[in-house]
Amino acid sequence: DQQVKQNSPSLSVQEGRISILNCDYTNSMFDYFLWYKKYPAEGPTFLISISSIKDKNEDGRFTVFLNKSAKHLSLHIVPSQPGDSAVYFCAASALNYGQNFVFGPGTRLSVLP
Amino acid sequence: DTEVTQTPKHLVMGMTNKKSLKCEQHMGHRAMYWYKQKAKKPPELMFVYSYEKLSINESVPSRFSPECPNSSLLNLHLHALQPEDSALYLCASSQQLAGVYNEQFFGPGTRLTVL
Repeated sequence: DQQVKQNSPSLSVQEGRISILNCDYTNSMFDYFLWYKKYPAEGPTFLISISSIKDKNEDGRFTVFLNKSAKHLSLHIVPSQPGDSAVYFCAASALNYGQNFVFGPGTRLSVLP
Repeated sequence: DTEVTQTPKHLVMGMTNKKSLKCEQHMGHRAMYWYKQKAKKPPELMFVYSYEKLSINESVPSRFSPECPNSSLLNLHLHALQPEDSALYLCASSQQLAGVYNEQFFGPGTRLTVL
C-alpha cells in the first residue's frame, strides 16, 4: 500500500504559466516533506522541503503548500520554464522512520514553449 | 565538492557473475544510502549506513551485499542476481545532524541489466 501518492503520472503546462503538482499521504506520523526533481540519466535533485509546523515554504519560483488535515501537499512553480521539464518526486519522513524518506511514484512535468 | 559520484554508469552482467557498484562523496556526510528504482516507480530504500555502520537493511536478499569501507565510500557487491534485479541503483548521502531532517543528495545512478 503506497503511503505517498502522486495521482497524476504526467502534467503539461505552457511556458510562463503556473505548474501545480500534487501529493497525498496516508501516514499521519509523517512530519517532514520534500520535493525532488529528476532529469533523465541523472539522480534526483533536492528542490524544496516543508516541516509539518508550517503550511507554506517558498524558494524563488517554487512554493510548497501543506494541508495537514487533508494529508495533502502541492508544489507550485511560477512561472514555469522549459528547463523545469522533469519528473518530480514527493517524499515524506517521520521520526520512527529514522529520518529516512518514502517516495511517491513521481509526476512527469512537461513545460511547453 | 557537492557531488555524489557512482561507477559504473551502466553494467550488464550474467546471473553467475560477481560485480560491485561504487559510490563516493566528499561532502563530509556520515549517512549513505542505496536505493533501487524500477522504471516508472519511486526509489525504494535498500540499505542505510550511519557512521560507517549498517543501520537499516530493508529485507534485501543476500545476493546484494553492502560495504562501507570509510565515511566517503559505499559499495554494493552483487552475486547471483536475477533478471528481475535489473534496475537503476541510486546512491545517496546526507548529513547526520541530530534533531533535524537532512535532505539526501543523490548520485546519477548505475543502470544494471541482468541477463
